Amino acid sequence: EVQLVESGGGWVQTGGSLRLSCVASGFTFNTYEMNWVRQAPGKGLEWVSYIGSSATSTSNADSVKGRFSISRDNSRSSLYLQMNSLRVEDTAIYYCARGVGFGGGTFDVWGPGTMVTVSP
Amino acid sequence: DIQMTQSPSYVSASVGDSVTITCRASQAIGSRLAWYQQKPGKAPKLLIYTTSSLKFGVPSRFSGSGSGTDFTLTISSLQAEDFASYYCQQSNTFPLTFGGGTKVEVK
Repeated sequence: EVQLVESGGGWVQTGGSLRLSCVASGFTFNTYEMNWVRQAPGKGLEWVSYIGSSATSTSNADSVKGRFSISRDNSRSSLYLQMNSLRVEDTAIYYCARGVGFGGGTFDVWGPGTMVTVSP
Repeated sequence: DIQMTQSPSYVSASVGDSVTITCRASQAIGSRLAWYQQKPGKAPKLLIYTTSSLKFGVPSRFSGSGSGTDFTLTISSLQAEDFASYYCQQSNTFPLTFGGGTKVEVK
């Protein structure tokens, strides 16, 4: 079964750091582009970060540029999101999502998400 | 950035109704548009990709159309399990962007 499972969420104060992880199973991880997408409580979906299959290409939303860094370890079928200088507005459920199609920008498999809460 | 504008934000409907949701892009995106369904407390699920292609396993009552800047998602005969939120998303250009969502509620 194709599966993504996130971990690493939790509570942190403004200015703090967290590292999210996403473990993939059921597919050949190193052939797929990957993304992080977040959803603030009661709000819509917001794309956060993208990484190419061999990690040579990345892209980030302006809202997290310079603070968040996406990476992957294909030997561990794992995706990461290093989040620094966290702000209250970063509070959200963070989903990892497999990318397919043009530029890996369509999300065909999603994890259940991990909650990040940033308090003032 | 490409802005995605969805309408309506809410739609009240009954089982058996036909429901149409529209999504407008602020600039042309070709056919690089996807639709997702999200139920409360769950992750989104891909329904349709490249405007009109149904993901395997998605019921045929879901259909998508459009090109350029204007797109639609139609649910031809609403079923109980279709009451949910729906989002469009463009994959033409970074940053990837979503519409604001449409909640399909029970009338």
